[in-house]
Amino acid sequence: EIVLTQSPGTLSLSPGERATLSCRASHSLKTNFLAWYQQKFGQPPRLLIYETSTRATGTPDRFSGSGSGTEFTLTISSLEPEDFAVFYCQQYEISPYTFGPGTQVDVK
Amino acid sequence: EVQLVQSGAEVKKPGESLKISCKTSGYTFDDYWIGWVRQTPGKGLEWIGIIYPQDSDTVYSPSFQGHVTISADKSIATAYLQWSSLKASDTAIYYCARNLNSLERDACDIWGRGTLVTVSS
Repeated sequence: EIVLTQSPGTLSLSPGERATLSCRASHSLKTNFLAWYQQKFGQPPRLLIYETSTRATGTPDRFSGSGSGTEFTLTISSLEPEDFAVFYCQQYEISPYTFGPGTQVDVK
Repeated sequence: EVQLVQSGAEVKKPGESLKISCKTSGYTFDDYWIGWVRQTPGKGLEWIGIIYPQDSDTVYSPSFQGHVTISADKSIATAYLQWSSLKASDTAIYYCARNLNSLERDACDIWGRGTLVTVSS
């Protein structure tokens, strides 16, 4: 099973600041099958990014994904008030398609 | 509009059985893998498994294999997650989620709102 580790656990930032979230895989992904989700309290996860860097329909272009192998990054170029939430990465290269523990982005 | 509508919250006792549902609409049910994800405060999001309704091909996480059953009824475009004997540790929110494309290995772009399952004596 591929274990995903996310850092930091919590990121405290102000609107307008840049957010950089990390996702590390225990085994190198040969494909780019990594996704990022945003989850707000009381809501299901929402797909932001798939295949490492492709924005899902409706994802603003301030969100970008990058990486390969074992290191992946989600960047939010300038935080908007609605962006504060928990973010999860998921690998779907090897079953079980595991999730990371999440990074909470909250208002500083 | 693609929608996944999940059944309502359940309160059960340990040892009881349960089947929760995920009714889909707005797309061809047969053509997309649909899966289940568990969420608990302590363990975050856990991938349970996935089914391809067209032929009922199913893939389970080893962590859940043997404890849950995923099924689908093509006639009513509905997926199911069931337990024959619940444990207190099954207490969680369960989400159904559809894959983005007609692929097993894929991200999930459409999610149900979740079903809260509480197992307590």
